[in-house]
This record gives sequence, structure tokens and C-alpha cells, in this order.
Amino acid sequence: EDQVTQSPEALRLQEGESSSLNCSYTVSGLRGLFWYRQDPGKGPEFLFTLYSAGEEKEKERLKATLTKKESFLHITAPKPEDSATYLCAVQASQEGGTALIFGKGTTLSVSS
Amino acid sequence: DAGVIQSPRHEVTEMGQEVTLRCKPISGHDYLFWYRQTMMRGLELLIYFNNNVPIDDSGMPEDRFSAKMPNASFSTLKIQPSEPRDSAVYFCASSFGTYNEQFFGPGTRLTVL
Repeated sequence: EDQVTQSPEALRLQEGESSSLNCSYTVSGLRGLFWYRQDPGKGPEFLFTLYSAGEEKEKERLKATLTKKESFLHITAPKPEDSATYLCAVQASQEGGTALIFGKGTTLSVSS
Repeated sequence: DAGVIQSPRHEVTEMGQEVTLRCKPISGHDYLFWYRQTMMRGLELLIYFNNNVPIDDSGMPEDRFSAKMPNASFSTLKIQPSEPRDSAVYFCASSFGTYNEQFFGPGTRLTVL
């Protein structure tokens, strides 16, 4: 069964304190791994897609990496506005396409 | 583009009533997805459409749930009759192509009393 596990469930950081969020997955043939950011009361907002092991993508203070079993979202020198829930999702590679399977997310709080 | 539009944003109803949630996807997108989000279960896919045709409805919890997409710019998710355990945030998302990122709407927070 395809599944996604994110850790930790919650993470509190001081402004400027770098850290990483983990997304472990099992899927029958990975087509893509997606990272989303969700603010309270809003829908998830797309951040990155990773397709193959070794791939990395960056956006401002965020960098996502991918291995064959997990993905990391590295947050460098976070600011309070980075506080949000970060969701990871995987998509299996099947003919015709499949839907995303989401993890339960990591809620990040950054205090000044 | 205005993004994915959902209505209503909040819905409070009593058990047994019919609830209809509405979604307008991003113009040009050919995939539309309905999700439900709860604290316990996270974000779960209910059903998705490709070119207005339902492809996978295995996530629809019961026959009380139904979804339609009469045209490329409109979809509904109906719950009849509603129950308190249906209380959740319901999201609609759309994408162009099956393997591209999905864009989510703001969600409808449903409370069934």
C-alpha cells in the first residue's frame, strides 16, 4: 500500500535556527513527490515537485531533496512568516495517472 | 486567473440535511479533485475527474456522497443526508495533466450539528 509519513508532527524554531522536515514514503513506482505549504484557514499552496533520487530544488529559504525512500525540506535561517504546515505528497507511476497521497504534515512555528 | 473558486466558504447545517459544495476549477485545467481534510485523517482524496468524467471514486466514504462535473468549469459535491462525522474542510483542486502540480481552492468548512 502506498503511504507517506512525515516527521516531526510539530517543530518549534527560533528565527534563524535552521532545521529539516522529513517525508518518508513507500510507493509502487514513484512518478513525483510534491511539497505544499498550508496556512491556517487556507488551501495547500504548491512549493516543489521532485522526480528522481538526487534531485534538489530551492525557493528562498527552502530547499527540497529526494532519495529513494525519503525527502527532506531544509529550512535555512527561518523567519516567522515561514510558520505554516508543510505537506508532502507522492504520486505513483501508473498508466493514466493517479492521485496524490498526502502525509499528515509538519506544523512549523518560528518565533522571533 | 482567479485560481480555484469554492463556495460556500463555511456551511453549518443540521444532521439529515442535504449539503452541496461547489467548485470552479482554473480555466484550461483538465483534472479536478475533491479532498476532505480532518485532524485525525489529514488530507484524503474523495474523487477525481478527467475531462469531466469521474476516474476514481474509491475515496468516497458512502453512498451519501456524490459528485458531478457537468462541464469543464463547474463541479459539485453533494452529501445527502449529512451526518456529524461529515464535519471537515472540503477542498477542490485542479491541474493540467495528470502528473503536474495541483492547485487548491480555499476550501469549504462544513459543520454538521
